Amino acid sequence: AQTVTQSQPEMSVQEAETVTLSCTYDTSENNYYLFWYKQPPSRQMILVIRQEAYKQQNATENRFSVNFQKAAKSFSLKISDSQLGDTAMYFCAFTSGGGADGLTFGKGTHLIIQP
Amino acid sequence: GAVVSQHPSWVICKSGTSVKIECRSLDFQATTMFWYRQFPKQSLMLMATSNEGSKATYEQGVEKDKFLINHASLTLSTLTVTSAHPEDSSFYICRVQAGGYTGELFFGEGSRLTVL
Repeated sequence: AQTVTQSQPEMSVQEAETVTLSCTYDTSENNYYLFWYKQPPSRQMILVIRQEAYKQQNATENRFSVNFQKAAKSFSLKISDSQLGDTAMYFCAFTSGGGADGLTFGKGTHLIIQP
Repeated sequence: GAVVSQHPSWVICKSGTSVKIECRSLDFQATTMFWYRQFPKQSLMLMATSNEGSKATYEQGVEKDKFLINHASLTLSTLTVTSAHPEDSSFYICRVQAGGYTGELFFGEGSRLTVL
């Protein structure tokens, strides 16, 4: 069974700073997908970034980037120039399929951006 | 705009009643739909996976007779919580897959169920 571990229950940084959220996972699969989701107080799940395991290049979406270390099974999220609107729960998730399988989520990190 | 619509967004019911939650894909045919449950301050837990026209596959520990899932069309899946009890109070979220193997994954807005 796959597991996803987020070791930081809560983080707080000042606006405009850079913050890194950690995520590790455990799987015996070789092909899989990793995701970071943002869940604001509205509780809507918002996809932040996606990484295919077969791609060596780290995914980037504007201020969001990942550091994907396949051998170490690590998938951290870096948020640059953090903004107040980034305050939310962030969940790391894994699926061994291309979406045909369910997602396994980490416990989440509550990120607070201070003004 | 939203591509997945979930209804109702919030429902309060008495213990013992049944509640139906709908998940609709608005602009595409959803080959697979997933139902998750999220208790307060916790992560999302997969309850079941449903494919159109076939029986849902439930995760271990999820009672299929209590959480009835119907995926009768490519745009609609329903989750019925039968004989709801206060411990069933939770946030229920659907997620749909569109297209092929690497199809995009979309979440509904979620439904908050409160059982009195």
